[in-house]
Amino acid sequence: DIAMTQSPLSLPVTPGEPASISCRSSQSLLHTNGNYFFDWYLQKQGQSPQLLIYWGFLRASGVPDRFSGSVSGTDFTLKISRVEAEDVGVYYCMQGLQTPYTFGQGTKLEIK
Amino acid sequence: EVPLVESGGDLVQPGESLRLSCAASGYSFSKYWMHWVRQVPGRGLVWVSRINIDGTVTDYADAVTGRFTISRDNARNKLFLQMTNLRVEDTAVYYCVRDLAGREGFWGPGTLVTVSS
Repeated sequence: DIAMTQSPLSLPVTPGEPASISCRSSQSLLHTNGNYFFDWYLQKQGQSPQLLIYWGFLRASGVPDRFSGSVSGTDFTLKISRVEAEDVGVYYCMQGLQTPYTFGQGTKLEIK
Repeated sequence: EVPLVESGGDLVQPGESLRLSCAASGYSFSKYWMHWVRQVPGRGLVWVSRINIDGTVTDYADAVTGRFTISRDNARNKLFLQMTNLRVEDTAVYYCVRDLAGREGFWGPGTLVTVSS
């Protein structure tokens, strides 16, 4: 199975400040079609996860442009340019290149 | 209109069976691979199973292989998860997910399955 390792697991952030979450996969997630089969999700308290970033760096429909994703080899990064109160929740990375799909442990973002 | 709504979650005893359903609406259900993902309350996300657009390809996590069966009815826009020989460790919220790892990924609100004696 492909292991997904997220860091940090807890992230206190001051509103208006930037935030960054990392995820490393145990093997390349680059598909033969040229896409990275890698997503970022946000799960707010009491809700189901919502897609933020797909294929490594593409923003899902309706996601604010303060969210961005980047890829470097097997390292993936989610950046929030200016954190807002509504960004609080648990962020998960996920690989969908091969079954079983696997998720990172989750990063809990909280407001200072 | 919520695109995906799960149902069928319940409290059952170990060894019993349960069938989860997921009703899709507002989009072309038959065009998307569908998945089940589960989450123990307060814990992380675990992929369970997937099915292709016409139901001819299915995959399962090792923990449920041989006990769970995923299926779909495109005429009724429904996804199913038949769960047999349930174990305490199957207790979780089960999410129906459209297009996981794709550009139109969407998760239903989930249904709680509790396995306890």
